[in-house]
Amino acid sequence: GENVEQHPSTLSVQEGDSAVIKCTYSDSASNYFPWYKQELGKRPQLIIDIRSNVGEKKDQRIAVTLNKTAKHFSLHITETQPEDSAVYFCAASPSGGYQKVTFGTGTKLQVIP
Amino acid sequence: DGGITQSPKYLFRKEGQNVTLSCEQNLNHDAMYWYRQDPGQGLRLIYYSQIVNDFQKGDIAEGYSVSREKKESFPLTVTSAQKNPTAFYLCASSIPPNGFSDYGYTFGSGTRLTVV
Repeated sequence: GENVEQHPSTLSVQEGDSAVIKCTYSDSASNYFPWYKQELGKRPQLIIDIRSNVGEKKDQRIAVTLNKTAKHFSLHITETQPEDSAVYFCAASPSGGYQKVTFGTGTKLQVIP
Repeated sequence: DGGITQSPKYLFRKEGQNVTLSCEQNLNHDAMYWYRQDPGQGLRLIYYSQIVNDFQKGDIAEGYSVSREKKESFPLTVTSAQKNPTAFYLCASSIPPNGFSDYGYTFGSGTRLTVV
């Protein structure tokens, strides 16, 4: 089955700096890569996703890049703000009739004001 | 207001008891999932269901059971066979893809189960 590794497990940045979270996956059949943000005590919410036919996707201050050859993908947050502080999960999923998603172990991001 | 509702928010279980966690959605999603969240271990899949009256084991199904009698409901029972049930449990639903989903998962707000 799929195995998703995520690094780092914790990340502290100064407000205004950039943050990068990296994930690798093992199953070459995976072609959908969502990222979820979980604020303290709240449910995970989808913030951005990317598909294997795309190398990069941006949405305001967040971007995701994908390297299918190397089987890794990354989340980039620019101009970080205190409200970006949360746990971020990467995930991978194959296409097909069922979307079984395998999650990474999460990265706790702390943005220091 | 469409969404996915989990109850209760907090649940305490005595040793040897079975407890059932509720998950209800009004999003008209066919697929539903149960995940367990432990510190440092991310989200691990317990069970999933693609359609009514059908469900499959996930990666850590031992000690758990589910049912899917209605499209809207996917309750999880934590049985006494689950030796370490203290965790945060998340239910999710999704539109089943014909290839890809544009919406990812919608998660419930979770149930925190503690063994006392």
